[in-house]
Amino acid sequence: RKEVEQDPGPFNVPEGATVAFNCTYSNSASQSFFWYRQDCRKEPKLLMSVYSSGNEDGRFTAQLNRASQYISLLIRDSKLSDSATYLCVVSPFSGGYNKLIFGAGTRLAVHP
Amino acid sequence: DAGVTQSPTHLIKTRGQQVTLRCSPKSGHDTVSWYQQALGQGPQFIFQYYEEEERQRGNFPDRFSGHQFPNYSSELNVNALLLGDSALYLCASSRLPMDSKEETQYFGPGTRLLVL
Repeated sequence: RKEVEQDPGPFNVPEGATVAFNCTYSNSASQSFFWYRQDCRKEPKLLMSVYSSGNEDGRFTAQLNRASQYISLLIRDSKLSDSATYLCVVSPFSGGYNKLIFGAGTRLAVHP
Repeated sequence: DAGVTQSPTHLIKTRGQQVTLRCSPKSGHDTVSWYQQALGQGPQFIFQYYEEEERQRGNFPDRFSGHQFPNYSSELNVNALLLGDSALYLCASSRLPMDSKEETQYFGPGTRLLVL
């Protein structure tokens, strides 16, 4: 079983749509959680950290359920520029500077 | 302020050869991590260097080795290349947080290695 599992997609949505990505992780001792974004043939970039209390950054909302070992990302009012692969990431250590374990990514394609 | 830089950008090797990839961390960062990303997969952690020593290692064979220099730059060496080593190799830099504020890793653009 993979340590971090994501639906690979692709998710094809029209502009303005709301889309939700889900992710599960197997190590209950995981300490830190993130969503990264990766554009085609580019490096991953941190989108946001994920906290148990939930956190929001503009059109993006992330949630963490430690009991279910489940992480989610909600994107509202999708833009063409949101088209990318979204990587669910966990770390066994506290702090994002340490070893990161990536899911395979979920591809999002936003069309006009 | 330069971000993380990697060289070369692309590389073609044949099976059995050896390769060295290079990484310069973001200014102010002292920790370098290396990841391998195969096509269609997420990056996989290879190892991390801090204070010129390997601090953590993922599930990669001994053919993968590294080094960190006093200026914090780093090299990844892969010996006896296999076809399956073809991937994007990503370097990420970070620094141990000085306070409770969470630090993140910044990735370089990667080196695309093709093994024929």
